[in-house]
Amino acid sequence: EVQLVESGGGLGKPGGSLRLSCAASGFAFSSYTMTWVRQAPGKGLEWVSTISSSSIYIYYADSVKGRFTISRDNAKNSVYLQMNSLRAEDTAVYFCGRDESLVGATDSWGQGTLVTVSS
Amino acid sequence: SYVLTQPPSVSVAPGQPARITCGGNNIRSKSVHWYQQKPGQAPSLVVYDDSSRPSGITDRFSGSNSENTAALTISRVEAGDEGDYYCQVWDKSSAHRVFGGGTKLTVL
Repeated sequence: EVQLVESGGGLGKPGGSLRLSCAASGFAFSSYTMTWVRQAPGKGLEWVSTISSSSIYIYYADSVKGRFTISRDNAKNSVYLQMNSLRAEDTAVYFCGRDESLVGATDSWGQGTLVTVSS
Repeated sequence: SYVLTQPPSVSVAPGQPARITCGGNNIRSKSVHWYQQKPGQAPSLVVYDDSSRPSGITDRFSGSNSENTAALTISRVEAGDEGDYYCQVWDKSSAHRVFGGGTKLTVL
């Protein structure tokens, strides 16, 4: 069974940093592209970042480019999201997902971790 | 950047079909994926690559894609189908994944 478990959310200050982790199990992690998607309270889904299986291809939404960094450790079956220069508008539930391919659908999702940015 | 437009809400009586649209410029040239999200839960994939269903998804869910509009159709809607539905594509020109704004399906 595919399992994705996010952690690392919590309260961050404007201008501060947080690091999210997503631990994967139940599939060959090193073969899959992984994605982060966020959802602000009461709002829709917003794509954040995608990383290919070998980290060669990395993409970011314009709203986070230059502030967030996605990475992965295939030996640890984990993907990360380093979030710097946090803003109030980064407040959201952050979901990690497994992608069918670099440009394909996200076929499995974690339950999400809440990030709140406030002073 | 590429924009996907969905109606904010769709209401349908139980047993009737529901059609949720997703508009985008020449969307026919892209593969469209659809997600269902129930309150307090993570999204889940219900249709991928325009019209394919993941394993375990009922055949009451179907998808289509033509010209500038893609659609998710739920035949014989049930109370358990209530939730938010999102379409999503990969925009090659910007190298971005793009979501529609979401449609809230209400079963009357």
